[in-house]
Amino acid sequence: DAGVTQSPTHLIKTRGQQVTLRCSPKSGHDTVSWYQQALGQGPQFIFQYYEEEERQRGNFPDRFSGHQFPNYSSELNVNALLLGDSALYLCASTRRGGYYGYTFGSGTRLTVV
Amino acid sequence: SQQGEEDPQALSIQEGENATMNCSYKTSINNLQWYRQNSGRGLVHLILIRSNEREKHSGRLRVTLDTSKKSSSLLITASRAADTASYFCATRGYSGGGADGLTFGKGTHLIIQP
Repeated sequence: DAGVTQSPTHLIKTRGQQVTLRCSPKSGHDTVSWYQQALGQGPQFIFQYYEEEERQRGNFPDRFSGHQFPNYSSELNVNALLLGDSALYLCASTRRGGYYGYTFGSGTRLTVV
Repeated sequence: SQQGEEDPQALSIQEGENATMNCSYKTSINNLQWYRQNSGRGLVHLILIRSNEREKHSGRLRVTLDTSKKSSSLLITASRAADTASYFCATRGYSGGGADGLTFGKGTHLIIQP
């Protein structure tokens, strides 16, 4: 049973560009959330989707947007990239209900130059 | 922003010893979860404890939760070299839109010396 799949694994972008990261949740999961992890820090919650709508959002600017598709897969879009956006971006999925752990993907390492 | 702090930030022990990590958080929660991360890659879910529970066990792991003190601890017994990793506590609350995403601490880096 495949877990959470993220693509690409690594990405180098230039400041000001736009990037799209993709995530396929674990089979049976309908809720997807995204996290940004800077080096040496804990993951920071960006937003969470279920039923194709953004349900909760962390303290991130509108440059960060997302989408969830009918098959529960998700995309994270970041516009007008800044050097400070360089980080590991993690996608995680779970089942609705609040009392389940999350399954994390291996992440996308984004470097902005 | 981070929910709270793990303590200690780093811990080095001998193989076979027990490792204890503590976590404090700031706001009311629905549940608290512990995750392990190896080499800056994906996180692995270890255990979840609900806000109305005080203690939970899973294999060599024991988690306690004190909601009055807004704190939790993770005990790993009989440590192994493979337990070397970063450990994060994460809280989950409820907002108007339903169950929130996870709010993580900064983590404890555990090193098991052979």
